[in-house]
Amino acid sequence: DGGITQSPKYLFRKEGQNVTLSCEQNLNHDAMYWYRQDPGQGLRLIYYSQIVNDFQKGDIAEGYSVSREKKESFPLTVTSAQKNPTAFYLCASSILAASSGNTIYFGEGSWLTVV
Amino acid sequence: GENVEQHPSTLSVQEGDSAVIKCTYSDSASNYFPWYKQELGKRPQLIIDIRSNVGEKKDQRIAVTLNKTAKHFSLHITETQPEDSAVYFCAAVGLMNSGYSTLTFGKGTMLLVSP
Repeated sequence: DGGITQSPKYLFRKEGQNVTLSCEQNLNHDAMYWYRQDPGQGLRLIYYSQIVNDFQKGDIAEGYSVSREKKESFPLTVTSAQKNPTAFYLCASSILAASSGNTIYFGEGSWLTVV
Repeated sequence: GENVEQHPSTLSVQEGDSAVIKCTYSDSASNYFPWYKQELGKRPQLIIDIRSNVGEKKDQRIAVTLNKTAKHFSLHITETQPEDSAVYFCAAVGLMNSGYSTLTFGKGTMLLVSP
C-alpha cells in the first residue's frame, strides 16, 4: 500500500475551475484505477487503465479526464463539467487486471472540496 | 455490468459477539471476491479474499464463505473487538462495457463494536 502516493491530500476548488489529482505508484503495477467515495455510496469507479496509453471509462466518468503516459502515473482531472465534485478520491493499482483476481491496493486518498 | 448488493448498511454488536455481513452479486462469471476494511479517514485495506474455486476461507477471526449457485458471499468476524469498528466493503469482478473486467464494490457496512 505504501507504494501508491496521492497528492494533494486536501484540495479546495472554486466553481468553474479544473483541478488535477496526482497518483504515482512504484509497485510496477500495470493496472491503475480512480474511485470516488461519497457517504453511503461506497466506491464508484471513475476511470481505469490496464496498460500505458490506454484507459477506459468507469461508471461515473462524466466531468472527469485522465491520462496514462507513464506506467507509474495516472493523474485525474476534475473538470468544471463535474457539477458535484466534493468527495474523497481514491487511486488504486493492481499487478494485472482485476479479472485475474489480482489484489487492488489503494492510495491514501485526496479530499476535494468545492468552495 | 456487475451489481453488488451489501447488507446491512450498519451493524452494532457488543465486544465478543460475532458479526456477519452479506453480499450478493449479479454476474455469474465473477470469480474473485475481496473484502476491504476502511477506518475513518483512511484508505480501504484488503482483509480477506476468496476465489470461486473454494467455498470458504478463514484467517484467524475472519472468514468468508461463497455460494456460487445463489451468487452470494459473506464475511464473518468472530470475537469482535473495538478495533474491528470500521466500514467494510465487499466487491466482485464484473465485466465493463469496454470488455475489460474490474472490481465493483458494495455500498459498505459500518460496523460498530461497543466495549
